[in-house]
Amino acid sequence: DTEVTQTPKHLVMGMTNKKSLKCEQHMGHRAMYWYKQKAKKPPELMFVYSYEKLSINESVPSRFSPECPNSSLLNLHLHALQPEDSALYLCASSLGQGIGETQYFGPGTRLLVL
Amino acid sequence: QQQVKQSPQSLIVQKGGIPIINCAYENTAFDYFPWYQQFPGKGPALLIAIRPDVSEKKEGRFTISFNKSAKQFSLHIMDSQPGDSATYFCAASNTGGTSYGKLTFGQGTILTVHP
Repeated sequence: DTEVTQTPKHLVMGMTNKKSLKCEQHMGHRAMYWYKQKAKKPPELMFVYSYEKLSINESVPSRFSPECPNSSLLNLHLHALQPEDSALYLCASSLGQGIGETQYFGPGTRLLVL
Repeated sequence: QQQVKQSPQSLIVQKGGIPIINCAYENTAFDYFPWYQQFPGKGPALLIAIRPDVSEKKEGRFTISFNKSAKQFSLHIMDSQPGDSATYFCAASNTGGTSYGKLTFGQGTILTVHP
């Protein structure tokens, strides 16, 4: 099973709302990633978790707060977002950070901030 | 130095044609070069990947050619089909160092295969 699942598929939120994105994998991968993708652009790395610890934070604004409760789950908590944060948010996982570099991506959550 | 430059931005071929997408990099520490395929509304999916110790890798109709001295690599799609119409991203990463695991993506190529 090489599947990464993400919920919800679509999310509309106001600038004062708090919401969370969820990502799950059951491949035994120990590295998990959050990416942001704007239309017609490549994915941009936001965060990397390795063995449930935050390994890379690409200077992402604090209105995005990642959480890795266990090795299979990754959350992205959203608060006080701006309209320019509207994008496709992708989760990915790999066997380990820097090991077996294949990153498996989920289908993404399409976020619209009003 | 972290950039990966991808060309062309868009490509239209007829069914059965052989589209070629090119990428170039500067960082000689990159040692892993994957290609991802993305359909509208979906996440990217790994298509094929290569390491710099080989010059060519083939999987089905997809071939990567790698030129280490020129710091270039390319994707060839043999006997292209309308179902291959998608956006293709090349990427590169350094599996060692402080940023290991970080993929640097090219800007993407929108491929359209006409029936």
